[in-house]
Amino acid sequence: AQSVTQLGSHVSVSEGALVLLRCNYSSSVPPYLFWYVQYPNQGLQLLLKYTTGATLVKGINGFEAEFKKSETSFHLTKPSAHMSDAAEYFCAVSDLPGGFKTIFGAGTRLFVKA
Amino acid sequence: DTEVTQTPKHLVMGMTNKKSLKCEQHMGHRAMYWYKQKAKKPPELMFVYSYEKLSINESVPSRFSPECPNSSLLNLHLHALQPEDSALYLCASSPQGTGYEQYFGPGTRLTVT
Repeated sequence: AQSVTQLGSHVSVSEGALVLLRCNYSSSVPPYLFWYVQYPNQGLQLLLKYTTGATLVKGINGFEAEFKKSETSFHLTKPSAHMSDAAEYFCAVSDLPGGFKTIFGAGTRLFVKA
Repeated sequence: DTEVTQTPKHLVMGMTNKKSLKCEQHMGHRAMYWYKQKAKKPPELMFVYSYEKLSINESVPSRFSPECPNSSLLNLHLHALQPEDSALYLCASSPQGTGYEQYFGPGTRLTVT
């Protein structure tokens, strides 16, 4: 079965510091992986996705993630945090072929200190 | 147009009321979803429509009744809700199923009194 584990329910960084949000997945087939961001009182927005091909994926707002099959990881990074990055971040894995479900991690709340 | 719209933005209803949530997308997506999200939790899937047919019902109580009148519209009819049903209700769409990202609407904040 597909599953996702996000390490750390809360991460706090200073403005300008590196952002690293951790995600590990379990999948019985080559996975499709996603990172979504949710700002307060809003819906989820796709940051980036990995399907096949290049393992370093670039997304919006300066975020990127690297797919590491050997470590079953898909960690999200941004070189320099901005105050506007404060939000909830969800890592997700797609359902098995033919399915419709997206399996979300529990989420990581990112705090950015001035 | 890469937007999913939802109305209303906020809804307060009593336990005996009947109300409906509405969702619309014009991206030509063939899969549409309803999620329920409680505070500080990930979205929980409720229903999936594929090509206007109900494909998944995640054992949702019958007081929630989905409807897909056409390929662009998705409704969620609410009746005799309980206070624990208070949550953010999110609609999403995707081109098809597995492997495609979902586009989410802003949600309807529902409060049941």
